[in-house]
Amino acid sequence: AQKVTQAQTEISVVEKEDVTLDCVYETRDTTYYLFWYKQPPSGELVFLIRRNSFDEQNEISGRYSWNFQKSTSSFNFTITASQVVDSAVYFCALSEANSGYSTLTFGKGTMLLVSP
Amino acid sequence: EAQVTQNPRYLITVTGKKLTVTCSQNMNHEYMSWYRQDPGLGLRQIYYSMNVEVTDKGDVPEGYKVSRKEKRNFPLILESPSPNQTSLYFCASSFNQGNYVDEQYFGPGTRLTVT
Repeated sequence: AQKVTQAQTEISVVEKEDVTLDCVYETRDTTYYLFWYKQPPSGELVFLIRRNSFDEQNEISGRYSWNFQKSTSSFNFTITASQVVDSAVYFCALSEANSGYSTLTFGKGTMLLVSP
Repeated sequence: EAQVTQNPRYLITVTGKKLTVTCSQNMNHEYMSWYRQDPGLGLRQIYYSMNVEVTDKGDVPEGYKVSRKEKRNFPLILESPSPNQTSLYFCASSFNQGNYVDEQYFGPGTRLTVT
């Protein structure tokens, strides 16, 4: 069965610090997709990135970067020079081919608090 | 504008009073799903639908029903709500075809309180 672990329940940083949110996943499938979503205090879920299991290339988007390592089953998310607006709950999620991609399994989320 | 809409956004009801939360998407997506979000538990899937007239249980289906009579709509029905169904509910849709899986687009959420 697929599983996503976000071991960090809550992280507090001061503005401009770099912060990494960890995501470790379990799957028996060789074909799967990984996602990150952001949930700001307003409550909506905002899509950040999608990555399939065959693409281990790291990605950078502005201050955001993602490190996908199949060897350690991790898909970590780094925010560089954090800002107060980055304060949110961040979810990592997994969808695998075995289930026909019918289920999206979420981690329990990491709450990031960025203070001025 | 591409979007998933849910109604109502907020609902307070009493135990046992049947209710329906509507969900509609305008992106012609085959796949739709319902989740509930509870503190410390993240999002858990209730039901999903791969296409019209095709629905299946997720991780926490007890106490819920769904239907998919039209592609754009996927209502969530609570026949006899109980206090443990107090939660934040999200509807989502996505384009899934073969081995291609797109992001899931989420509705704004429905906060349900059952007293």
